[in-house]
Amino acid sequence: EAGVAQSPRYKIIEKRQSVAFWCNPISGHATLYWYQQILGQGPKLLIQFQNNGVVDDSQLPKDRFSAERLKGVDSTLKIQPAKLEDSAVYLCASSQQSSNQPQHFGDGTRLSIL
Amino acid sequence: GESVGLHLPTLSVQEGDNSIINCAYSNSASDYFIWYKQESGKGPQFIIDIRSNMDKRQGQRVTVLLNKTVKHLSLQIAATQPGDSAVYFCAENNDYKLSFGAGTTVTVRA
Repeated sequence: EAGVAQSPRYKIIEKRQSVAFWCNPISGHATLYWYQQILGQGPKLLIQFQNNGVVDDSQLPKDRFSAERLKGVDSTLKIQPAKLEDSAVYLCASSQQSSNQPQHFGDGTRLSIL
Repeated sequence: GESVGLHLPTLSVQEGDNSIINCAYSNSASDYFIWYKQESGKGPQFIIDIRSNMDKRQGQRVTVLLNKTVKHLSLQIAATQPGDSAVYFCAENNDYKLSFGAGTTVTVRA
């Protein structure tokens, strides 16, 4: 079974620029999650999709972050404009149905803001 | 092996000994718990899970214990190996949301 795929693996941008991350979940997984992991901390949920609908985006800074999951498969997360404090690893995860099943993570995109 | 009663950010263990990693969770309504292992440069890797109607679950070389009375979760690793060196996170599910703890860095001494 192929795992969660993410790209790019690394991204360096200057503050106020925009950036986008892509995620392809495990085939057949209905639920997709984006997490932000700041160095030395555990992952923090940004947004959760069930198929192509948003279940929870309460922790997403909506003034600069946006995410979509068109067709209920792949997803993109965008930051515009980026701030210095957005430097982190952005992880995508998927699970078969809801969050009370194992979530499987990709290796993330490491974002550095200059 | 080494045993810690409270959550510590780091744990050093001799190769071949047993490891015990502790985690205190915050919400008594949490109904599902997962342990993840994260190696440098990689995403969290699922190790084992347990639901709130159980107090113990065993996997290959790992055992998870759940004490709902004191909201405590532990991960036991038998015969710790160098490949077990990583950061270990516990996560609790509540209200369809998974919340992660601060993580414990495990270092295996040869």
